[in-house]
Parts: sequence; C-alpha cells; structure tokens
Amino acid sequence: QKEVEQNSGPLSVPEGAIASLNCTYSDRGSQSFFWYRQYSGKSPELIMFIYSNGDKEDGRFTAQLNKASQYVSLLIRDSQPSDSATYLCAVSGGNNRKLIWGLGTSLAVNP
Amino acid sequence: DAMVIQNPRYQVTQFGKPVTLSCSQTLNHNVMYWYQQKSSQAPKLLFHYYDKDFNNEADTPDNFQSRRPNTSFCFLDIRSPGLGDAAMYLCATSRINSPLHFGNGTRLTVT
Repeated sequence: QKEVEQNSGPLSVPEGAIASLNCTYSDRGSQSFFWYRQYSGKSPELIMFIYSNGDKEDGRFTAQLNKASQYVSLLIRDSQPSDSATYLCAVSGGNNRKLIWGLGTSLAVNP
Repeated sequence: DAMVIQNPRYQVTQFGKPVTLSCSQTLNHNVMYWYQQKSSQAPKLLFHYYDKDFNNEADTPDNFQSRRPNTSFCFLDIRSPGLGDAAMYLCATSRINSPLHFGNGTRLTVT
C-alpha cells in the first residue's frame, strides 16, 4: 500500500522563526511532490511542487526533495501568524492523476 | 482571473434526498477531479475525468455519480445522501503532469 506520512503536530513556532515540515513516502517510484496549505474550513491551496532532487525556493518557502531517502520537506522562513494552517503533502507516480495524500501537519505560528 | 468555482458553498439536504454539486473552470484544464474530505482527514479521490474519459475509484460508493457535459463543467450527484456523506466536497482541475488547483469547496450537511 502506497503511503505518505506526516507528523500530525501541532508544530508550534514563534513568529519570525523557520518552520520545518516533513513528509516521507513509501513508493520509490514517486515522481511528483506537492505541498498544499489548508486553512480550517477552506480548500487546499498549492504552495510548492518539486520534481527533482534538491531544493526549490519560492519567496519564503523552500521545498527539499531527497528521493534516495524518500522524504520531502517544506521550510517556511520568517513565519507569520497567517501561516498557521494545516500543510498537506501529496505524492504521485508521474501523471498526477492519482495523488497519495498525507494527513497533514498542523502549524501554529505564535505572535 | 482563471479559476475553479464550486456551487453552492454550503448545501443542506435531507437524508435520502438527492443533491447535485457543481463545478466550473476557466483554466481550460483537461482533467477534473472530485474529492471528499472529512474533518482531520486527507482528501479522498472519488473520481476524475481525463477529457471525457471517466475514471471511478474502486471504493467510491455507487451512491455517487458524476457528469461532465463539457470541458468547463463537472457535476457530482449524490443519489441518496446518508449521514456519513456529510463532508467537504472538493473539485479540482489540472493539466496532465501539472499540479491540481482546487475550488473553494462545498460543505454538505445531511439532516
């Protein structure tokens, strides 16, 4: 069974700190990796996607992928209270039509 | 702005009374998805269309049906809603090999 695992949290960080969110996956053939942010009662919003080993940066967000170790992480620099949400990791085998989702990590950024 | 629009945002129906949720997109994406998400759970794929090709998940109950009359619109029909069908229903779209973009979701309550 293909699985994606995340620490449910809550992960609590002070405002301005770096938040580090981690995700491991079981299918070694996975090729596409996504991070979605979901506020309570709202729909998921795409934050980052990464396909190749290494780092990908977009503003305050950095996605890191290590296929050999089967993990993908999301770093949020200069965390803001508005970053408080659940972060969902999703993984697919290539054509993105069937994503395997983690249960999400709840992040709380304290002012 | 190009987007995915779901209607209604909130739907209340009675036990056993059919209900239809709608989704439209202006992104011209060829893949459309319906997900069900319950509290503190990951989104669960119900089915998806790749153009007109319908793909049903093996564990999607027969109570759930879908229609995609054209590229822009997709409908989710719940023929006889039960209390266990109360959830957030998420429509998403994508191009092949590209990230999913979600609509705002429809919160379904069954009384």
